[in-house]
Amino acid sequence: DVKVTQSSRYLVKRTGEKVFLECVQDMDHENMFWYRQDPGLGLRLIYFSYDVKMKEKGDIPEGYSVSREKKERFSLILESASTNQTSMYLCASSLRDRGYQETQYFGPGTRLLVL
Amino acid sequence: AQRVTQPEKLLSVFKGAPVELKCNYSYSGSPELFWYVQYSRQRLQLLLRHISRESIKGFTADLNKGETSFHLKKPFAQEEDSAMYYCALSGKAAGNKLTFGGGTRVLVKP
Repeated sequence: DVKVTQSSRYLVKRTGEKVFLECVQDMDHENMFWYRQDPGLGLRLIYFSYDVKMKEKGDIPEGYSVSREKKERFSLILESASTNQTSMYLCASSLRDRGYQETQYFGPGTRLLVL
Repeated sequence: AQRVTQPEKLLSVFKGAPVELKCNYSYSGSPELFWYVQYSRQRLQLLLRHISRESIKGFTADLNKGETSFHLKKPFAQEEDSAMYYCALSGKAAGNKLTFGGGTRVLVKP
């Protein structure tokens, strides 16, 4: 059973703070993703990674960065948190695509409130 | 650019009634379409994908390339179907990234 865990369920931070969101998967998946989930907007891809030390920008990377030093861990970093980054953040992982999209497995989410 | 549209934010149906969640997409190429579901207090999970052509929990979805649609249907809704449903699209032209629609909340009333 695939397990994707996120370091916090709820976080409250102040504007300008540096914020780290951690994601760990235990199924040796190559691909890892960070999304934000907002009502009416669905999920929007922030960054993704197909391998260790590799990262690609998603659709809304501004204000975010990521780190993937180990295969099982993918971190999302908000360099200077702003109120418009208040959201639910979802991490996901999947096997390497084999000519078709592999199923993505999601973590429970981190609800971030920036004051 | 690829896009997924779910026109209904909320669908409310009675138990035993049919339910249809609409999903329309725009994509240049051969898309892969998915439905993901999030039940209350649970994580988002895959419900079904068009290439599998299978029925999951009584739900089916047919890819209609002419109408660029991938509507999700169930003939007899159950209370446990109450959840948030997201249609998603992927394809080689987009680097195999998933693009999600805005989601439809389904409420099945007793």
